[in-house]
Amino acid sequence: KNEVEQSPQNLTAQEGEFITINCSYSVGISALHWLQQHPGGGIVSLFMLSSGKKKHGRLIATINIQEKHSSLHITASHPRDSAVYICAGMIKAAGNKLTFGGGTRVLVKP
Amino acid sequence: DGGITQSPKYLFRKEGQNVTLSCEQNLNHDAMYWYRQDPGQGLRLIYYSQIVNDFQKGDIAEGYSVSREKKESFPLTVTSAQKNPTAFYLCASSITGSRGEAFFGQGTRLTVV
Repeated sequence: KNEVEQSPQNLTAQEGEFITINCSYSVGISALHWLQQHPGGGIVSLFMLSSGKKKHGRLIATINIQEKHSSLHITASHPRDSAVYICAGMIKAAGNKLTFGGGTRVLVKP
Repeated sequence: DGGITQSPKYLFRKEGQNVTLSCEQNLNHDAMYWYRQDPGQGLRLIYYSQIVNDFQKGDIAEGYSVSREKKESFPLTVTSAQKNPTAFYLCASSITGSRGEAFFGQGTRLTVV
């Protein structure tokens, strides 16, 4: 079992809908990263979280350390948000080793 | 500005040739990583290094080699022993202390023909 798990694997939404992607981890982490990858594109770092909530434009990321859970929300989704979203935890017990979730493929239809 | 640079972005090679992917960071990060991604799949760890002159195998190290002679650099060589080298390769770096900072390269798309 992977130490960092994401759900859902795939998500389809209509333009304008609110989207939530979940990331759960089973070990202690020092920080959690959310990344975005457009089809055929490179990796873009969206957020780094160690507590609380961060917002950038229509993207909101939250983390609950006690529950070992993080969410990425996309408000008023748009077709250009179609991408793979990946969470990555930095595992404390392994010297902050980066461990990736499997990714969530998001498709926003116009 | 500090950052992590992967090059090249796209790379084409003939089958049977070794190829080296570059990853450089000027963030003073101790740890560096290489991951591989196949189409429609997640990122899998190839090798990582938490200190100069030391590195560990990840989940899919066969057919790859790395070196960490300098803190700033962690090149990955895809050898001819790697059966299916065509993939997207991602380099990352991080601090090993409590701050949890990590940076990610743009990635290299390697196509072997």
